[in-house]
Amino acid sequence: QVQLQESGPGLVKPSETLSLTCTVSGGSISGYYWNWIRQFPGKRLEWIGYVYYTGTTNYNPSLKSRLTISLDISRNQFSLKLRSVTAADTAVYYCARDFWFDPWGQGTLVTVSS
Amino acid sequence: EIVLRQSPATLSLSPGETATLSCRASQSVSTDLAWYQQKPGQAPRLLIYDASSRATGVPAKFSGRGSGTDFALIISSLEPEDSAVYYCHQRSNWPPYTFGQGTKLEIK
Repeated sequence: QVQLQESGPGLVKPSETLSLTCTVSGGSISGYYWNWIRQFPGKRLEWIGYVYYTGTTNYNPSLKSRLTISLDISRNQFSLKLRSVTAADTAVYYCARDFWFDPWGQGTLVTVSS
Repeated sequence: EIVLRQSPATLSLSPGETATLSCRASQSVSTDLAWYQQKPGQAPRLLIYDASSRATGVPAKFSGRGSGTDFALIISSLEPEDSAVYYCHQRSNWPPYTFGQGTKLEIK
């Protein structure tokens, strides 16, 4: 079955750019929406945005000015770039497939700290 | 933005009992609501979508009901492994999709 795996640095300095990649295995990126979701230390979940397999994106308005989500179909990957991060962006970042988030990757903790 | 409020915050029950978890939306989401289960150290797992449809592989002890603004997740014949945090999520009025704050279910 399809599996998702997040990868990227676990520590990012304030004001820099957080970059993560989600690799999709066991299935194709085509035909689906691909999401990024984060979970803060207090366990609150926040939807970040999605990229459709055509390249169309939709972002959480609260993050839109700092956010880019893109797709690499040839590598079966999609990526997240969040600019100008602060400590408030410290969270576990998950990737997940489609409108009803299923399945999810295992998540990766990103800490913003100098 | 639609706000989802879950209650109770924590629910403690005994094995064999039935749990009823509530999710209330600040405005109608029709049946565009899902439920997820998250165990410690794991990613959330989809249980219910479209308010009442079970996801693939989810046992029949999990059921969902509701429409509009009031929803419930019902878990019957509780077992210790059902201990988890349960979240509701709406995709009716977006962006953004939103989640409830979670209900922690303890089976003792």
